[in-house]
Amino acid sequence: IAGITQAPTSQILAAGRRMTLRCTQDMRHNAMYWYRQDLGLGLRLIHYSNTAGTTGKGEVPDGYSVSRANTDDFPLTLASAVPSQTSVYFCASSEASGGTDTQYFGPGTRLTVL
Amino acid sequence: GQNIDQPTEMTATEGAIVQINCTYQTSGFNGLFWYQQHAGEAPTFLSYNVLDGLEEKGRFSSFLSRSKGYSYLLLKELQMKDSASYLCAVRDGDYKLSFGAGTTVTVRA
Repeated sequence: IAGITQAPTSQILAAGRRMTLRCTQDMRHNAMYWYRQDLGLGLRLIHYSNTAGTTGKGEVPDGYSVSRANTDDFPLTLASAVPSQTSVYFCASSEASGGTDTQYFGPGTRLTVL
Repeated sequence: GQNIDQPTEMTATEGAIVQINCTYQTSGFNGLFWYQQHAGEAPTFLSYNVLDGLEEKGRFSSFLSRSKGYSYLLLKELQMKDSASYLCAVRDGDYKLSFGAGTTVTVRA
């Protein structure tokens, strides 16, 4: 059982290019999340999905889009990358969005936009 | 917005005890989490508090006071492998997690 996988592990991208970060979980969790982690700022929520077919905006959604066509996959797309999107991106999942629910994190994608 | 404060860095000696404090001001409260994150790795869940008081899990304990907007993580019998960042996270009224910037703990021999 892999838990949560993310791809790619790292990527260097030219500004203006389109990029999709992939996230897949095999725990049948209902809720999934995308965070970015920057030095000194901690983890910040970009987008989330409480269940397949629904998505919502987090704290820093601008420049990013997501889709949730099924339970397992939650890709994050940068339509036109900018240098300020250089960060480490973590995908997470939880059984549900409430209760004593705990979020479990993937290994992360290190993205550099030049 | 959410405001979660924790110290940036702490250093302690192997075998000692370290207490990491976290204060928060959030829109609603539905629990406080502590995560451990080793350099270059994903955060991993350590503890959860939703009621006031102390939760103990082996060498790690977490305390919560909702009236004071305050929590701490206590690490006992420190080991070298405990060198990591410790993240305080609060779940708000919308059940979304807001994270502090993290406290980097360095354990010295």
